[in-house]
Amino acid sequence: DVKVTQSSRYLVKRTGEKVFLECVQDMDHENMFWYRQDPGLGLRLIYFSYDVKMKEKGDIPEGYSVSREKKERFSLILESASTNQTSMYLCASSSTLAGKGYNEQFFGPGTRLTVL
Amino acid sequence: QKEVEQDPGPLSVPEGAIVSLNCTYSNSAFQYFMWYRQYSRKGPELLMYTYSSGNKEDGRFTAQVDKSSKYISLFIRDSQPSDSATYLCAMIDSWGKLQFGAGTQVVVTP
Repeated sequence: DVKVTQSSRYLVKRTGEKVFLECVQDMDHENMFWYRQDPGLGLRLIYFSYDVKMKEKGDIPEGYSVSREKKERFSLILESASTNQTSMYLCASSSTLAGKGYNEQFFGPGTRLTVL
Repeated sequence: QKEVEQDPGPLSVPEGAIVSLNCTYSNSAFQYFMWYRQYSRKGPELLMYTYSSGNKEDGRFTAQVDKSSKYISLFIRDSQPSDSATYLCAMIDSWGKLQFGAGTQVVVTP
């Protein structure tokens, strides 16, 4: 079974703090993603990475950065947390298979972050 | 305007009823259409995906895509309380990124 794990299920931080969210996958997937999920807005892509040390901006990268030093690990960093970053954060991974139309994204359980 | 529109519900149905979910979209370049299911306090998991227009059936689930109307549907037959979850439609854009709907919360009552 594909397993995507996230370091915390619940996190409470204060405005201005630096926050690290960690994600690890055990299926040797090339691609990893960070989303945030908010009521009425669905999942929105923050950043993704298709290889070690590579990163691409998603639809809402402002206020976030990422790090991928190892293939299995993808970190999301909030340099200075703000209250509007209170949300559910979901990590996902997928493989890159030649000839396959859709490469399923496998999601972690999510981290519910509250910024006070 | 969002590229993918989905009614957030909640949609409450009695056990055994047919659940009907749908999404509309505006980007005619979408070609792959997915339905994800998300249980409470869990991440989404892929339920079904289809390519282009047509129907696809998997057990009690049927996915339909009508590209001419930019409309996709998911039907759940003989619904069970275990089907209670949030269902998210998703589509792949021309950049290969998933675009999600807001999700519809479904409650199946015994």
